[in-house]
Amino acid sequence: DAGVIQSPRHEVTEMGQEVTLRCKPISGHDYLFWYRQTMMRGLELLIYFNNNVPIDDSGMPEDRFSAKMPNASFSTLKIQPSEPRDSAVYFCASSLGTVDSEAFFGQGTRLTVV
Amino acid sequence: DQQVKQNSPSLSVQEGRISILNCDYTNSMFDYFLWYKKYPAEGPTFLISISSIKDKNEDGRFTVFLNKSAKHLSLHIVPSQPGDSAVYFCAASAPYGNKLVFGAGTILRVKS
Repeated sequence: DAGVIQSPRHEVTEMGQEVTLRCKPISGHDYLFWYRQTMMRGLELLIYFNNNVPIDDSGMPEDRFSAKMPNASFSTLKIQPSEPRDSAVYFCASSLGTVDSEAFFGQGTRLTVV
Repeated sequence: DQQVKQNSPSLSVQEGRISILNCDYTNSMFDYFLWYKKYPAEGPTFLISISSIKDKNEDGRFTVFLNKSAKHLSLHIVPSQPGDSAVYFCAASAPYGNKLVFGAGTILRVKS
């Protein structure tokens, strides 16, 4: 398996524009996580899914953020409208969901909002 | 409120010496703890884990110690190598949740 695949690797957008980040989890993994990494707060969990159903979105910072998982092999994180403070690296991760299973991370999307 | 804290933003160690990275947690429900390593421009990768039923887990040069009463865990790397230079994240999860809560990370620099 190629691992967790995220696209794009880098995104530069203007404030107010819509941004969509994409993720393909590892086949067979039934948990999918979206994290945001910033210097100040490290890795923050934004939302996670189990079997394509959102379980906990308490980490989503504002209504401008939304995430979907239409099927087991694809998820999106959308920011609309984007703001400069959204600039960060966004990671997607997936796991088997068994007790003691670790999460496997994608390479991340570096988002810059100017 | 950060439930997992890594109070040292960075650590510098000489090659061959021991590196000790520390992590504290506040949620007594956490029962599984992991360490991840992250190189620049890459995603975090799993390094080692420990269940709350143990107080030590060893894997080659890496050992994780858990002190439940103090709600503290540490990662020991012996001997440290320049290739160990990375950001190390501590993470924890509670039963049945499968939700990993991460600390802010510690930058380790191993000097040759």
